[in-house]
Amino acid sequence: GENVEQHPSTLSVQEGDSAVIKCTYSDSASNYFPWYKQELGKRPQLIIDIRSNVGEKKDQRIAVTLNKTAKHFSLHITETQPEDSAVYFCAASPYVSWGKFQFGAGTQVVVTP
Amino acid sequence: NAGVTQTPKFQVLKTGQSMTLQCAQDMNHNSMYWYRQDPGMGLRLIYYSASEGTTDKGEVPNGYNVSRLNKREFSLRLESAAPSQTSVYFCASTPVESFGELFFGEGSRLTVL
Repeated sequence: GENVEQHPSTLSVQEGDSAVIKCTYSDSASNYFPWYKQELGKRPQLIIDIRSNVGEKKDQRIAVTLNKTAKHFSLHITETQPEDSAVYFCAASPYVSWGKFQFGAGTQVVVTP
Repeated sequence: NAGVTQTPKFQVLKTGQSMTLQCAQDMNHNSMYWYRQDPGMGLRLIYYSASEGTTDKGEVPNGYNVSRLNKREFSLRLESAAPSQTSVYFCASTPVESFGELFFGEGSRLTVL
């Protein structure tokens, strides 16, 4: 089955700097890669996703890149703000599975003013 | 429109006791899922229901049973709780059978003594 590894497990950045989180996956059949943000005590919420026919996607200060050959994808947050402090999870899903997402272990991002 | 609603939010059980976590969604979604979240392990799929009348095992199904009561409701039952089942449980749903955003409930924190 799919195995998703996520690094780093914790990331501390100064406000205004960029943050990058990297994930690798094992199943070449995976073709949907979402990122979820979970604030303390809250539910995970989708912030951006990418499908395998696209190499990069941007939404304001957030971008995701995908390298299918190397089986890795990354989340980039630019101009970080204190409200970006949260746990971020990457996930991968193969087309034929009914939303059976394999999640990474999560990255705790702390943005210090 | 409440989204995905889970009950109870908190529960303490003794080893060997049984309980049922309830989940309901009002978004007319076809697929529903139960995940557990443990520190450092991300979200792991316990069971899912691709559509009304069907259920399938996820990554960590042992010790659990589920019932898709109707299109709205998907319950998770622990027949004989064990300390290893201490976790935060999230119910989720998606509007389509494959790709799609996971809409999570607020979570249920379960402690087994």
